[in-house]
Amino acid sequence: RKEVEQDPGPFNVPEGATVAFNCTYSNSASQSFFWYRQDCRKEPKLLMSVYSSGNEDGRFTAQLNRASQYISLLIRDSKLSDSATYLCVLYNYGQNFVFGPGTRLSVLP
Amino acid sequence: ETGVTQSPTHLIKTRGQQVTLRCSSQSGHNTVSWYQQALGQGPQFIFQYYREEENGRGNFPPRFSGLQFPNYSSELNVNALELDDSALYLCASSSKGLSSYEQYFGPGTRLTVT
Repeated sequence: RKEVEQDPGPFNVPEGATVAFNCTYSNSASQSFFWYRQDCRKEPKLLMSVYSSGNEDGRFTAQLNRASQYISLLIRDSKLSDSATYLCVLYNYGQNFVFGPGTRLSVLP
Repeated sequence: ETGVTQSPTHLIKTRGQQVTLRCSSQSGHNTVSWYQQALGQGPQFIFQYYREEENGRGNFPPRFSGLQFPNYSSELNVNALELDDSALYLCASSSKGLSSYEQYFGPGTRLTVT
């Protein structure tokens, strides 16, 4: 089993839609969790950290369920500019960052 | 912009050759990690350098090696290039000792091996 798995995608949604991405991880000792966004042929950029209590940043909401080893990202009122690949990332203390394969989102006019 | 820079932007090499990629970390960051990203996949961790020493390594062969300099900039060296080494190579800087484990990526070097 891969250490980080994500919805295979791609997701094609109309503007204004709400879309949710799911991510599961296998290492229960993983300590920190993040969502990164990567535009085509660009570097990944940090979108938001993910906390057990859940956190929100504008239209974006991230949730972490440690018991189920599951992370989610919800995007409300999708914009054309949200089109990108969304990468689930975890950090194992004393080790390294582990990236999921990414889920591609296309927001259509 | 993150302040992390990489050079060169693009590179074409032939199989068997050697390549050196460079990365300058963001000001205040003492840790550099290198990743390989093949087309359509997430970045794969190669290794990390902290205070000029390797501080963790992913599942890459010894022909992938690196250096970190006193100013925290870093190099990735790949010997005996293979066709499968064609990828986007990303470096990311972060700072151990801070409560945050966030890292920031440079724009990457796109390596093509023919």
